[in-house]
Amino acid sequence: AIWMTQSPSSFSASTGDRVTITCRASQGISSYLAWYQQKPGKAPKLLIYAASTLQSGVPSRFSGSGSGTDFNLTISCLQSEDFATYYCQQYYTYPRTFGQGTKVEIK
Amino acid sequence: QVQLVESGGGVVQPGRSLRLSCAASGFTFRSYGMHWVRQAPGKGLEWVAVIWYDGSKKYYADSVKDRFTISRDNSQNTLYLQMNSLRAEDTAVYYCARDTPYSGNYYLDYWGQGTLVTVSS
Repeated sequence: AIWMTQSPSSFSASTGDRVTITCRASQGISSYLAWYQQKPGKAPKLLIYAASTLQSGVPSRFSGSGSGTDFNLTISCLQSEDFATYYCQQYYTYPRTFGQGTKVEIK
Repeated sequence: QVQLVESGGGVVQPGRSLRLSCAASGFTFRSYGMHWVRQAPGKGLEWVAVIWYDGSKKYYADSVKDRFTISRDNSQNTLYLQMNSLRAEDTAVYYCARDTPYSGNYYLDYWGQGTLVTVSS
């Protein structure tokens, strides 16, 4: 199975900050990577697929980059509704695997 | 609008069985691959199983292989997960999620709200 490692596991930030979350795959996955946002008690929501394509309806302050083994999710100007946990997931092969999650908390 | 509604969760003893359902609406169910993903309390997301739009392919996580079976009834717009020989470590919220058309090979663009399965004596 392909291991997905996110960093950091959690961090605190302020509204208006630019934040970046990193996801590393244990082997190359081309651009077969998605990012999801999950708020407490809610289902995950798709933000980005194909490493950098914004899902319809997702604010443009979210962006994704990378290919191969190293990927980033960037939020350009953190808003109050962005405090949540973020997961990367590879869909290059089965079994599908998720990163362990990155919790973004209010400073 | 796309809706996925899971049901069938509850408290079950170790070793027993449970069947989850996911009722789909707002899209052409028979054209989409479907997945189950679970989340243990306070933990991250774990992919469980996928079934192709026509049922022709199925894949499972190693942790559930030979115990869980994914299936679908396209005439009823419903996805199922039959869970046998349940263990305490299967305790989780189970989500159904939609893949892309005519496949099961991509990302998950819509998710249900989940149903909680608790395995305990």
